[in-house]
Amino acid sequence: DSGVTQTPKHLITATGQRVTLRCSPRSGDLSVYWYQQSLDQGLQFLIQYYNGEERAKGNILERFSAQQFPDLHSELNLSSLELGDSALYFCASSAGQGSTGELFFGEGSRLTVL
Amino acid sequence: AQSVTQPDIHITVSEGASLELRCNYSYGATPYLFWYVQSPGQGLQLLLKYFSGDTLVQGIKGFEAEFKRSQSSFNLRKPSVHWSDAAEYFCAVGGSDRTSSGSARQLTFGSGTQLTVLP
Repeated sequence: DSGVTQTPKHLITATGQRVTLRCSPRSGDLSVYWYQQSLDQGLQFLIQYYNGEERAKGNILERFSAQQFPDLHSELNLSSLELGDSALYFCASSAGQGSTGELFFGEGSRLTVL
Repeated sequence: AQSVTQPDIHITVSEGASLELRCNYSYGATPYLFWYVQSPGQGLQLLLKYFSGDTLVQGIKGFEAEFKRSQSSFNLRKPSVHWSDAAEYFCAVGGSDRTSSGSARQLTFGSGTQLTVLP
């Protein structure tokens, strides 16, 4: 158990819809990262927050947005969903801000867009 | 730009045999290197990491990796594989420098190597 909690574990929705994925980081960790894992793109970094502020942006689509709340949990909002958005979405947390330390991953939220 | 190449998509070994998973990286500064493992239905778990110092690093579950700067490689090894090692393995590179936009450097992951262990 990494200490990172993601909900929901599975989500099935239709094209054009909007979903919200939730992540609770490991106790004491200030950074939250979102990754997308798909068969054709592999593991892609989407966005990082540190103590409520956006710190880095990766290959995140404009239809996607995220935020980190004062209690440090984070939400990833995916809107106008397309078939290609079907993927496993991981949240990870770390104590620091960058890539110098260990990331602790949740078990992921599997999104299926029909 | 930083990148990681894992040339082997799928490797099959017999239980008890030795294992080596290849990883090559490209990074402009001093790299921080990681190996993560993903079991089915699970998130990624850190096996080991290299920041500096001794180029042979030991990790959990009996794994080790060797950093070879001249070859830009960070191969993962295990002398005797157990059936429970069947999983997908990801190499990743990061660093303490900043990007051109001033952001903290993020990890870049390889495409992964799927390990199958035969009884």
